[in-house]
Amino acid sequence: KAGVTQTPRYLIKTRGQQVTLSCSPISGHRSVSWYQQTPGQGLQFLFEYFSETQRNKGNFPGRFSGRQFSNSRSEMNVSTLELGDSALYLCASSPRTVNTGELFFGEGSRLTVL
Amino acid sequence: DQQVKQNSPSLSVQEGRISILNCDYTNSMFDYFLWYKKYPAEGPTFLISISSIKDKNEDGRFTVFLNKSAKHLSLHIVPSQPGDSAVYFCAAITGSSNTGKLIFGQGTTLQVKP
Repeated sequence: KAGVTQTPRYLIKTRGQQVTLSCSPISGHRSVSWYQQTPGQGLQFLFEYFSETQRNKGNFPGRFSGRQFSNSRSEMNVSTLELGDSALYLCASSPRTVNTGELFFGEGSRLTVL
Repeated sequence: DQQVKQNSPSLSVQEGRISILNCDYTNSMFDYFLWYKKYPAEGPTFLISISSIKDKNEDGRFTVFLNKSAKHLSLHIVPSQPGDSAVYFCAAITGSSNTGKLIFGQGTTLQVKP
């Protein structure tokens, strides 16, 4: 069974630009959540999508947005990039049948903002 | 407001000995507690979890202990192996409506020396 796939793996942007990251969940998993990992803040929850609907949102500004498609693939977008947005963005999927918190993470997209 | 805390940024142990990683939390409403392991350039992988109604869960070399009165959990690895060297994240989750929303600690880097 293929794991969670994130693209691109690495990208460099400049301040003010926008970026779109993509995530393909494990086949059959309908829940996709996104996390930001930085050295200072650790892993922080961005949002979760289930059946194309945002079910949960973390404490991030409106510049961070996402969506989920009918095939459960998800994208997240960050607009008007700031230096502090440099981070590893992790996508995770789950079947969402039982809420035990077990998530399957992708390898992440490493974003550098210059 | 950090609801899940790992106060030790790093831990070094000798191969074959016990590794004990600690985690404290403040929210008594958490339903499940989990440990994730992360190698460099990879996403976190689920290791072991415990329900808030249990006080111990064991899986091979890994045992998680939960002390609800102290709001403390720990992960024991016995015996430790060099391949266990990684960053370990403690995480917690509340309620059925928060499937993808894990609250993570800052992580503890474990080094197991041969």
